[in-house]
Amino acid sequence: GAVVSQHPSWVICKSGTSVKIECRSLDFQATTMFWYRQFPKQSLMLMATSNEGSKATYEQGVEKDKFLINHASLTLSTLTVTSAHPEDSSFYICSVTGGALEFFGPGTRLTVL
Amino acid sequence: GDSVTQMEGPVTLSEEAFLTINCTYTATGYPSLFWYVQYPGEGLQLLLKATKADDKGSNKGFEATYRKETTSFHLEKGSVQVSDSAVYFCAHAGANNLFFGTGTRLTVIP
Repeated sequence: GAVVSQHPSWVICKSGTSVKIECRSLDFQATTMFWYRQFPKQSLMLMATSNEGSKATYEQGVEKDKFLINHASLTLSTLTVTSAHPEDSSFYICSVTGGALEFFGPGTRLTVL
Repeated sequence: GDSVTQMEGPVTLSEEAFLTINCTYTATGYPSLFWYVQYPGEGLQLLLKATKADDKGSNKGFEATYRKETTSFHLEKGSVQVSDSAVYFCAHAGANNLFFGTGTRLTVIP
């Protein structure tokens, strides 16, 4: 299956700053990547579908101006949390869809102070 | 370390057949347990969950019971439909991490 990496694996930032999270598909060209967030002991929540070369599709209730997604190449999608606040602290996971299967990155833990 | 072991697929069933997809986990502490479903070309959707031992999660005719003694969370449905064809993922979530099984593809034929 596809190998998916995320960087950084964890990040701590001050309130008001922006944080960029990278998701790379290391051995697979992905036209579609998904971004999820997860709170401790809770379910994953799909945030958006990232489409290579076009705008991301956001789920209802997710602020597109706050969570900027860029899928500039077939192997890289980035999620930028702009003007982060403590309530944005969460575990962010990306995934790559390859044919009929989905492969998950290891996740990025964001803590906003 | 923590992990999730899920029954390998693919699984092919006739419509109205009984479904079981096995899932066992290893974890420190008492994680929440989830089953997710993924339809072709779509993101994951939460199917059901259980947050403590002996809880039963249920949705759309699917059920799974949190069994602490056997560290299992097997997914069952009494009568599958063609529309249930999808990939099913078992997962557990602790305080700091989320672990997924590898997914089981289910195909239901008329």
